[in-house]
Amino acid sequence: SQQGEEDPQALSIQEGENATMNCSYKTSINNLQWYRQNSGRGLVHLILIRSNEREKHSGRLRVTLDTSKKSSSLLITASRAADTASYFCATTGNTPLVFGKGTRLSVIA
Amino acid sequence: SAVISQKPSRDICQRGTSLTIQCQVDSQVTMMFWYRQQPGQSLTLIATANQGSEATYESGFVIDKFPISRPNLTFSTLTVSNMSPEDSSIYLCSVGSYLGEQYFGPGTRLTVT
Repeated sequence: SQQGEEDPQALSIQEGENATMNCSYKTSINNLQWYRQNSGRGLVHLILIRSNEREKHSGRLRVTLDTSKKSSSLLITASRAADTASYFCATTGNTPLVFGKGTRLSVIA
Repeated sequence: SAVISQKPSRDICQRGTSLTIQCQVDSQVTMMFWYRQQPGQSLTLIATANQGSEATYESGFVIDKFPISRPNLTFSTLTVSNMSPEDSSIYLCSVGSYLGEQYFGPGTRLTVT
């Protein structure tokens, strides 16, 4: 299975701190994506990084991809209480999105 | 990105009954996807629905249990048939690219008693 697995499962930080979440996967991919889900609602697409890219930025988000280690990281800088959510990585290879189990991020004001 | 709505937003159903979930998109899209998210778990793709053809189901999901309709390019339904408590989940539809980014509806939270 090419399912991604996020690490840690849960993360609690103070507002203003940085949050780092990691994702590992098992097979070769076309791209890796990160999504956010607030309180069991719909997912919001955050960023897509292609297999030939190593780093990508979007606002306070920074994503890295290491295909040799089959891993990715999502960094949220200067976190805010509104960043509290579950974050999922998802990969595509020969099949559409395969989601990891997610990291629950709590940002304490 | 597309704006997607789902109905109902939540429901509580008795075992043995069926529920049809609607997904409406504000623009024409080729591919629509249906996912299930069991409590505390990640999302699992149920099927891909293309207009004018039968849905393609993923391993572990069958048409008799999860019939899908796709009558036009902006609308789809998923029916959860003969429900049991194990079907209690959030069901989400999405649109987008088969191997690219997808945009999700708000989800339907189903509880089966």
